[in-house]
Amino acid sequence: EDQVTQSPEALRLQEGESSSLNCSYTVSGLRGLFWYRQDPGKGPEFLFTLYSAGEEKEKERLKATLTKKESFLHITAPKPEDSATYLCAVQAEAAGNKLTFGGGTRVLVKP
Amino acid sequence: SAVISQKPSRDICQRGTSLTIQCQVDSQVTMMFWYRQQPGQSLTLIATANQGSEATYESGFVIDKFPISRPNLTFSTLTVSNMSPEDSSIYLCSGRRSQETQYFGPGTRLLVL
Repeated sequence: EDQVTQSPEALRLQEGESSSLNCSYTVSGLRGLFWYRQDPGKGPEFLFTLYSAGEEKEKERLKATLTKKESFLHITAPKPEDSATYLCAVQAEAAGNKLTFGGGTRVLVKP
Repeated sequence: SAVISQKPSRDICQRGTSLTIQCQVDSQVTMMFWYRQQPGQSLTLIATANQGSEATYESGFVIDKFPISRPNLTFSTLTVSNMSPEDSSIYLCSGRRSQETQYFGPGTRLLVL
């Protein structure tokens, strides 16, 4: 069974304090790993898709990396507007188009 | 990004009743899905909405409880039938434009009393 575990569950940062979120996964063949941002009361907002170990993608203060067992979302010099829940999801080769989500990391950036 | 709209955005319903949620996506979306996000939980796939045919349901979800229609490429409905308080959740429509990108709608917040 495909499994996705995100850590930590919650993260409190001071503005400008860089940090990393972890997404560990177990799948029988990874087709893609997706990162989303979700604000309270809203649907998830697509950030990145990663496909193979060693791949990296960046968007503003966010950088996602991928290994064979985990992905990291690095937040560089965060601002209060980066406060949100960050979700990781995997698409396994044997699971068709299904995304299996982790529990998310709630990030709070204090000014 | 793909444009996905849902309605209603929220509703409060009595147990035993049914609610139909509508989802409209832009024309660049090829696949449509319905997810559920229970309070404080992450997202779980309910089913893949297939154009002009029966939806493909995930384990634990059945057509009698969650009938889904997709009469054309850009529109789908999810009905939550014979509701109980355990059905209180956020229901999210999702669309995929390619293997690389999958977008979500704003969600429908359902409270069953």
